Amino acid sequence: DTGVSQDPRHKITKRGQNVTFRCDPISEHNRLYWYRQTLGQGPEFLTYFQNEAQLEKSRLLSDRFSAERPKGSFSTLEIQRTEQGDSAMYLCASSDFGGGGAFFGQGTRLTVV
Amino acid sequence: AQSVSQHNHHVILSEAASLELGCNYSYGGTVNLFWYVQYPGQHLQLLLKYFSGDPLVKGIKGFEAEFIKSKFSFNLRKPSVQWSDTAEYFCAVNDYNTDKLIFGTGTRLQVFP
Repeated sequence: DTGVSQDPRHKITKRGQNVTFRCDPISEHNRLYWYRQTLGQGPEFLTYFQNEAQLEKSRLLSDRFSAERPKGSFSTLEIQRTEQGDSAMYLCASSDFGGGGAFFGQGTRLTVV
Repeated sequence: AQSVSQHNHHVILSEAASLELGCNYSYGGTVNLFWYVQYPGQHLQLLLKYFSGDPLVKGIKGFEAEFIKSKFSFNLRKPSVQWSDTAEYFCAVNDYNTDKLIFGTGTRLQVFP
């Protein structure tokens, strides 16, 4: 499968713990996006990278969240000191410069207990 | 700021009925418009997109959408739905420069045989 892959698919963690998610985009795509989706809502933009540069961060992304994309390939999203409000589906997407729309991964469902 | 409104939150239809899902957007500049579909347990998939040209866009699985610039609308249509169309449908607009997507809250479609 050459689509966007995310790992893990599910994560249950205790409040206060740190978690890290990984996203592997479609290999020729230089743009990578993170979104968050809660029940009954559409995906909300968190941040995006063009190659290894993080070019935009939403105000939804508190200082407990950090994202990296070393070498412009895979990306990680870390949440420190998780809170129950962080429970959501975290989606990764990638696109090329063509503006053809983004391709999404299956997402990582985070549950903070 | 960009925003997308989907007024139909939950639509229930019988097979062979016609479908129209509303989508209105707010953005002052050049936009690209998208409809994504999320089947139960699956990732978001691109259904169709509008960039320029013919305002009537045809997508996969018999879906089409019409861009009406004067109404800031991009409604999704299908003449005859099938049970397999049961899914959640999201309208989105992107930032022309970044491909960042702004989603509506989604419409849940249930089709009964």
